[in-house]
Amino acid sequence: QVQLVQSGAEVRKPGASVKVSCKASGYTFTSYHIHWVRQAPGQGLEWMGVINPGTLNTKYAQNYQGRVTMTKDTSTDTVYMDLNSLRSEDTAMYYCCRNKHYFDYWGQGTLVTVSS
Amino acid sequence: EIVMTQSPATLSVSPGERATLSCRASQSVSSNLAWYQQKSGQTPRLLIYGASTRATGIPARFTGSGSGTEFTLTISSLQSEDFAVYYCQQYNDWPPAYTFGQGTKLEIK
Repeated sequence: QVQLVQSGAEVRKPGASVKVSCKASGYTFTSYHIHWVRQAPGQGLEWMGVINPGTLNTKYAQNYQGRVTMTKDTSTDTVYMDLNSLRSEDTAMYYCCRNKHYFDYWGQGTLVTVSS
Repeated sequence: EIVMTQSPATLSVSPGERATLSCRASQSVSSNLAWYQQKSGQTPRLLIYGASTRATGIPARFTGSGSGTEFTLTISSLQSEDFAVYYCQQYNDWPPAYTFGQGTKLEIK
């Protein structure tokens, strides 16, 4: 069955960076885009960007341009989301999710807390 | 950027009754719209894509409709497990700049 398993919770200080992983299984890794969506506490969903594991193409939301990098490791069917220059407003649950346009499978989420 | 506006922010409905949730796009997204359900403390779940196609395993009481800028999610005969927050999402933009609505909280009346 399709699964997206994310890395565990992280705590960072302002100005630091964080790298969250998302390991895919149960389907052909290179056949589906992986997106990252975040949700601040008590807030709605916000799309951050997408990577095509088959071509390495990426597209980032304007709000994150220059701060986010999405990469992949085909040998382990894993996608990574790297966010730098963290600030307190980046405290959120970060989800990876699958598919080209709408998101049919979601990871369990990774809580990133930014606090001094 | 396409802005998605959901209404109402909160909807109170009794179990067994019908709920109607609305989503409006700031410009046409054709039928490139999805709906998600998120229960408290859980991951969002895909309900509807293509504005009206139910995702795998979604009960028939969930119905999506609309195109262009106006969309509706109807839940007939509400069950206790349906009380949650619902989000719409457009995926019309390319290169992608997908946006979500702010959500509608469906609560028990």
